[in-house]
Amino acid sequence: DAGVIQSPRHEVTEMGQEVTLRCKPISGHDYLFWYRQTMMRGLELLIYFNNNVPIDDSGMPEDRFSAKMPNASFSTLKIQPSEPRDSAVYFCASSFWDRPGGPGELFFGEGSRLTVL
Amino acid sequence: KNQVEQSPQSLIILEGKNCTLQCNYTVSPFSNLRWYKQDTGRGPVSLTIMTFSENTKSNGRYTATLDADTKQSSLHITASQLSDSASYICVPSSGGSYIPTFGRGTSLIVHP
Repeated sequence: DAGVIQSPRHEVTEMGQEVTLRCKPISGHDYLFWYRQTMMRGLELLIYFNNNVPIDDSGMPEDRFSAKMPNASFSTLKIQPSEPRDSAVYFCASSFWDRPGGPGELFFGEGSRLTVL
Repeated sequence: KNQVEQSPQSLIILEGKNCTLQCNYTVSPFSNLRWYKQDTGRGPVSLTIMTFSENTKSNGRYTATLDADTKQSSLHITASQLSDSASYICVPSSGGSYIPTFGRGTSLIVHP
């Protein structure tokens, strides 16, 4: 398997523009996570899906952020409008259900580095 | 609120030396704890998993320990190599949501 695939790897945009980050999870995995990583705060969980259904989006910073998972092989994280404080590395990770319950090991993509000017 | 504290925040050692990284957590109820390694510019990769009944587990030159009573874990690296330079992240999971809680990580630099 190719692993978790994210695109774009790098994105530079201007404040106010819409940004869409994409993720293809590992085939067969039924959990998908979106994380944001900054030097100040480390890895922060934004939202996670189980079987394409959003389970917990309490980490989404504000209404400017939205995430979708229309099918088991694709997810998007959208920021509209973007702001300079959104600059960070955004990671997608997928996992499988693991006994006694919940996700097992998380497999991360290479990340999307976002810079908002 | 589930919390993870790692120490030291950063560490510089010479190649060939050993080091130990520490993790204190407040996740409850406890399910398991993983250590992840994150190379610069890459996503984290799992090194090892510890469950409640395990005290020690080795993966090559990496040895993890767990004390579930005191909610502490450590990662010991033996005979360090330049490729060990990375961030090491402690990740406990609760027995409730099973969603992992990521620590801030320890940044390790191995100098030749």
